[in-house]
Amino acid sequence: GAGVSQSPRYKVAKRGQDVALRCDPISGHVSLFWYQQALGQGPEFLTYFQNEAQLDKSGLPSDRFFAERPEGSVSTLKIQRTQQEDSAVYLCASSRRTEAFFGQGTRLTVV
Amino acid sequence: EDQVTQSPEALRLQEGESSSLNCSYTVSGLRGLFWYRQDPGKGPEFLFTLYSAGEEKEKERLKATLTKKESFLHITAPKPEDSATYLCAVLKNDYKLSFGAGTTVTVRA
Repeated sequence: GAGVSQSPRYKVAKRGQDVALRCDPISGHVSLFWYQQALGQGPEFLTYFQNEAQLDKSGLPSDRFFAERPEGSVSTLKIQRTQQEDSAVYLCASSRRTEAFFGQGTRLTVV
Repeated sequence: EDQVTQSPEALRLQEGESSSLNCSYTVSGLRGLFWYRQDPGKGPEFLFTLYSAGEEKEKERLKATLTKKESFLHITAPKPEDSATYLCAVLKNDYKLSFGAGTTVTVRA
């Protein structure tokens, strides 16, 4: 596709519910990233994939967060037992070299 | 600890009133400095990458410059469509971007 595509755009979850956020990167981009952006702040790094390998997950806030990219293309960020502090915009980005291109994000609201 | 600080937090300009945004950083082993534009409800849109002190990049009314401790984004004769939040980020290794909190620019007609 022309850009990074994320779905859903908006997600409202009840506290304790599991959610799954999807990212379709730009075709041919080897690297894929997940970032979390709180209101009024810059994005914070969560995790990094090179093809299907998750090379860095140091930014994942807790073991309730899990990301995968099984075939080296589409990626899913899963959050188990959501908490109110998980409310944020989750951004996916992909790159071929150093410039990362971002999707529109998924706004997660936990109520 | 690596830090990226942007100032001011907010900037209100009259159309045509040029100004500059600042991004100061304390990072060892900088691999690159990036500027992004973010509109409300959208993801960051890539603008520039700067790799070494003294480098400059231009795009329409925007010009980015880099020194060893900071970067500036100059907006020349801004238009209302330049209203957005401008984010800077530093690349320390091959892949991880550390972002500042952004400067929100509002340009009034």
